[in-house]
Amino acid sequence: EPEVTQTPSHQVTQMGQEVILRCVPISNHLYFYWYRQILGQKVEFLVSFYNNEISEKSEIFDDQFSVERPDGSNFTLKIRSTKLEDSAMYFCAIHGWHSGNEKLFFGSGTQLSVL
Amino acid sequence: ILNVEQSPQSLHVQEGDSTNFTCSFPSSNFYALHWYRWETAKSPEALFVMTLNGDEKKKGRISATLNTKEGYSYLYIKGSQPEDSATYLCALNSGNTPLVFGKGTRLSVIA
Repeated sequence: EPEVTQTPSHQVTQMGQEVILRCVPISNHLYFYWYRQILGQKVEFLVSFYNNEISEKSEIFDDQFSVERPDGSNFTLKIRSTKLEDSAMYFCAIHGWHSGNEKLFFGSGTQLSVL
Repeated sequence: ILNVEQSPQSLHVQEGDSTNFTCSFPSSNFYALHWYRWETAKSPEALFVMTLNGDEKKKGRISATLNTKEGYSYLYIKGSQPEDSATYLCALNSGNTPLVFGKGTRLSVIA
């Protein structure tokens, strides 16, 4: 089963500051996702990334957001100028196969708090 | 916009009780339905992926059924244990689109 590590586990930042959230899959993967969950709300899709390009993004993923795979392994989500409403748990996910089924495997998440 | 609804939003049951909850989704453009279990401070863990109408999947005391024609799936837990306490997320895959999640059902099993 694929493993995904996310760092940091918690990030506290001031409004307007830039944050970078990191995701490291244990094995080589081409297809990545970022989701987030604001407390009490649904898990929301942000962006999918395939073969070093954005393949799909949601309305949430505006110009303040960007994704990169800077070194071929780490996968990062950058928020350029954080807003209070960006406070959420951010999850990275990868496609994988388990017991014959294609599934998403999630990292443990980064809790972002914007003050 | 696809909408996935889960009910109830939260549930408290006594240890040993059996329980079930529902995921409703649009039946058009269906490809697969996923169930995830999300414990506090951990990442969501895939439980089941179901693709065919009438599918039934089982993992220990947890099972799920799927009705794609009417657009719903049930998750059942038999003989609930405190370690079953978690949020259970349902997610719809409509083919070449990202998973769309419901809000989840928060289950608390009281010893």
